[in-house]
Amino acid sequence: GESVGLHLPTLSVQEGDNSIINCAYSNSASDYFIWYKQESGKGPQFIIDIRSNMDKRQGQRVTVLLNKTVKHLSLQIAATQPGDSAVYFCADRRTDIMRFGAGTRLTVKP
Amino acid sequence: EAQVTQNPRYLITVTGKKLTVTCSQNMNHEYMSWYRQDPGLGLRQIYYSMNVEVTDKGDVPEGYKVSRKEKRNFPLILESPSPNQTSLYFCASSRRDGTGYTFGSGTRLTVV
Repeated sequence: GESVGLHLPTLSVQEGDNSIINCAYSNSASDYFIWYKQESGKGPQFIIDIRSNMDKRQGQRVTVLLNKTVKHLSLQIAATQPGDSAVYFCADRRTDIMRFGAGTRLTVKP
Repeated sequence: EAQVTQNPRYLITVTGKKLTVTCSQNMNHEYMSWYRQDPGLGLRQIYYSMNVEVTDKGDVPEGYKVSRKEKRNFPLILESPSPNQTSLYFCASSRRDGTGYTFGSGTRLTVV
């Protein structure tokens, strides 16, 4: 069946290191992908997006990579900070429906 | 401030008592959507709306209704809530092409 999933449910990194969070999607018709961050007690917060006609997009300290051949999406966070600790979701859109993965919990150790 | 506003933030109700969760956005977004979030299942789409008077089912629409009479509002209606609808609910809106996707702060619903 169709799914958007994450490779690891938890990720722990040292402050200052780079973080990489991975996501796999199953539907090749997906045309738009988003990464979200959700802190405890809050709604998901947009981080970065990418369209299917791109393979890389950079923001402030974040980079999203899209590999359509293997249907894989990753979020790279440079110089991870304690404030980056949260649950990260990937989401893909096909037609008008947005589907989310279950999330990866990122913990940043001081 | 551009935002999606949901009310209430917390709601405890009894089985079968009709309730409405309101959602309003001030960004003139065409697209609005409701999700529920459950542990281990992530966010699942309940209903969405591409514009006024246009609504469609998401992945888990059973037991829910929505309406879109105005562009800014998209209420979620539970005609006869059941305990399995206990969850954290999020409203979201975006431009028609999916950009600008913004979530509300969530409504934690408990049905006893």
